[in-house]
Amino acid sequence: DAKTTQPTSMDCAEGRAANLPCNHSTISGNEYVYWYRQIHSQGPQYIIHGLKNNETNEMASLIITEDRKSSTLILPHATLRDTAVYYCIVRANYGGSQGNLIFGKGTKLSVKP
Amino acid sequence: EAGVAQSPRYKIIEKRQSVAFWCNPISGHATLYWYQQILGQGPKLLIQFQNNGVVDDSQLPKDRFSAERLKGVDSTLKIQPAKLEDSAVYLCASSLDRRERREKLFFGSGTQLSVL
Repeated sequence: DAKTTQPTSMDCAEGRAANLPCNHSTISGNEYVYWYRQIHSQGPQYIIHGLKNNETNEMASLIITEDRKSSTLILPHATLRDTAVYYCIVRANYGGSQGNLIFGKGTKLSVKP
Repeated sequence: EAGVAQSPRYKIIEKRQSVAFWCNPISGHATLYWYQQILGQGPKLLIQFQNNGVVDDSQLPKDRFSAERLKGVDSTLKIQPAKLEDSAVYLCASSLDRRERREKLFFGSGTQLSVL
């Protein structure tokens, strides 16, 4: 499985955009990039995923570089409720144990007033 | 829509005792997962069911852990006997169908297990 590298922690001011980077330099051509987040004492929550093109939904935007070796999750107007651990995951090819989501340690985002 | 339900929310046991966790997935979700999350780490997959069949249990410590999903709906994860290192949050997740590679996983709030 392609591995991802994320900063251990980041701070963001409330109301500002939070940009969370992720490196996945060994990603394969048909592997998707997924983002989940985990608020304290809750299970992970799906945010967004993409393959090649940039994606946007009601929660966030996902920017994937042209060579697909890195991506950035953007929370356009961070609130205190966005304080959480954010996981960048590369989804392996389908087949056996592949195709499962493999979580790393993620980035702890702290949104401050 | 109702989310993934798990119980109990917390459990404290002594080592060598047994414990069971219950999960009720979102209605209609064929795939069910059990994850273990040790403090400070990301969730680690223990077992994956497609309907009532096991798809992947390669990371399940089978000498002490067992899981079943009778009738392809609810699932139970059991630990017998528990060890100190089993202290963790046990998360259940479900998704519509793992054959769809772009599926989203929906997680429950987990059961926090403390083994003393």
